[in-house]
Order: sequence, then C-alpha cells, then structure tokens
Amino acid sequence: EDKVVQSPLSLVVHEGDTVTLNCSYEVTNFRSLLWYKQEKKAPTFLFMLTSSGIEKKSGRLSSILDKKELFSILNITATQTGDSAVYLCAVGILRSNDYKLSFGAGTTVTVRA
Amino acid sequence: DAGITQSPRHKVTETGTPVTLRCHQTENHRYMYWYRQDPGHGLRLIHYSYGVKDTDKGEVSDGYSVSRSKTEDFLLTLESATSSQTSVYFCAISEQPQGVTDTQYFGPGTRLTVL
Repeated sequence: EDKVVQSPLSLVVHEGDTVTLNCSYEVTNFRSLLWYKQEKKAPTFLFMLTSSGIEKKSGRLSSILDKKELFSILNITATQTGDSAVYLCAVGILRSNDYKLSFGAGTTVTVRA
Repeated sequence: DAGITQSPRHKVTETGTPVTLRCHQTENHRYMYWYRQDPGHGLRLIHYSYGVKDTDKGEVSDGYSVSRSKTEDFLLTLESATSSQTSVYFCAISEQPQGVTDTQYFGPGTRLTVL
C-alpha cells in the first residue's frame, strides 16, 4: 500500500518566520514528488521534483527531494499572511500505462500578522 | 489556468438519489481523475481515465462509477447517494506520463451534500 505522510499536520507562525514542511513516502514505482498549495479552492501546483539533491526555488519557496531517505521538504522563508493555506504533497506513481498521484493529508499553515 | 470546468459547483441531494458530476476540459489531455477531499484525508482518488472508454478504480471507488465517452468529458456518478459521500469533489487532468511534466491540474471543485 502506498503511503505519503506529511508533518506537521498544522502550524501557526508569525509574519517573517521561516516554515519547513515535511513529506515522507513509501511507494512502489516512484516517478515524481509534487507540492501543491490549496487556499479554500482547487490545489495549485508549486513544484515537481524527480531528482535527489536538486533544489527547486520559486521566490520565497523552495523544495528538495531525498530519494534515498524517501522524503521531501518545502521551505517558505519570510512568511506572509498570503502564505496561509493547506500545503499538499503528492507522489507520482507509474505502473504500466497508468499514472496516479497519491496525496498526503496536507499541512495547514496559518501565518499571523 | 488549465481549461477545466466542473458542474454543478454545489449540489444538495437526498440519500438514495442518483447524482452525476461532470468534468469538462479544453486541453485535450489524455488523463482525467476524480478525487474527493475530506478533512484529515487530503485528496483521495476515486476513479481515473487514461483514454476514451478506458477507466480504472482508485482507492475509494465503492459507490461510484465513471464514464468517458469523449476526450473532454469525464462523468462521475453516485448511483444511490449516501451521507458518507458528502464531500468536495475535484476533477484533475494531466498529460501522458511520458510527457515533460507529471503535473495534474485541478478543476474548481463541486461541493456535494447528501442529506
């Protein structure tokens, strides 16, 4: 059974703080790991990671994958109230002609002014 | 934004009635997915399609059926709705897995309440 576990489940920070979100996984036929941001509507894509040790960055957000230890982290620096959201981690699994994403339960981030 | 629409956006129905949710895409993507999202569970895959008339079950498929007669439309049917199917339903699309990206793009969601 595929498992994707995110931690912590929720956290509250103040503006300007740095946040680190964790995603660990146990799946067969790993293909990719994706991060999404969800703000009371449809999830929006942040990053896709396929190779270990290569950091992806977008503004104040960055993410890295460790395929040996089977985890990824998502960092948000200098947090703003607009970063308040649920952050979802998903692992892409490829089996023959099928491709699926298996999602974690998400981490709820609340940034207080 | 990817061209994905869902209808209806909100629906309230009674236990035992049939319900059909529609997902429509204008991106000509091969893969389409139906998820449900419930507190504490993240997104769970109900069914997916890897082509016209090609569908398969996800992890929570009991009580749901799907059909895909055209590339652009993917229908999710609850044959006899139950209160446990009260949820937010998201449709997603993606290109072929051999493509440049595995990203799935999500529709706006349908909030279904079964009384």
